[in-house]
Amino acid sequence: RKEVEQDPGPFNVPEGATVAFNCTYSNSASQSFFWYRQDCRKEPKLLMSVYSSGNEDGRFTAQLNRASQYISLLIRDSKLSDSATYLCVVTHMEGGSYIPTFGRGTSLIVHP
Amino acid sequence: DAGVTQSPTHLIKTRGQHVTLRCSPISGHKSVSWYQQVLGQGPQFIFQYYEKEERGRGNFPDRFSARQFPNYSSELNVNALLLGDSALYLCASSFGLAGGRTSVAKNIQYFGAGTRLSVL
Repeated sequence: RKEVEQDPGPFNVPEGATVAFNCTYSNSASQSFFWYRQDCRKEPKLLMSVYSSGNEDGRFTAQLNRASQYISLLIRDSKLSDSATYLCVVTHMEGGSYIPTFGRGTSLIVHP
Repeated sequence: DAGVTQSPTHLIKTRGQHVTLRCSPISGHKSVSWYQQVLGQGPQFIFQYYEKEERGRGNFPDRFSARQFPNYSSELNVNALLLGDSALYLCASSFGLAGGRTSVAKNIQYFGAGTRLSVL
């Protein structure tokens, strides 16, 4: 079982739709969680950190469920410019070091 | 302000050769991490350096090594290149240890544009 799993998609949605992605992780001792966005042939860019209480940034809402070991990202009112790959990142401690693990990414295509 | 810069942007090598990739972090950032990303996959963690010391290592063979200099820039070295080493190599910098709990904001990673390595 992979440490961090994401549905690769693609999710193909019309403009204005609401879309949700999930990311599951296997290490119950994981400590920090993030969502990154990656455009084609570009570097990943931070979208938002994920806090235990959940957090919102405009049209984006991130939630963490430690009991079920998953994080989620909700995008409301999708824009064409939201088309990208969304990567979740989970970090755990191992031998005194922090080990970040990325999921393989979920591809989102927003069409007119 | 300059972001994370990596050089070279593209590189072509043949099997058996070695390669050195370079990374300059954002000014004030003390941690540099290296990742390998192959097409269709997420970045895979190779190393993290903080204050010139290795603070994390992913599941990569000993052919991969890195170091961090007093100015916090970093090099990634790969020896005895294999075809499977062809990938995008990403460098990320953060103020503190990436993933640390003390301050999430300080530990957010910012990525460079990467070095695209092709091994023939």
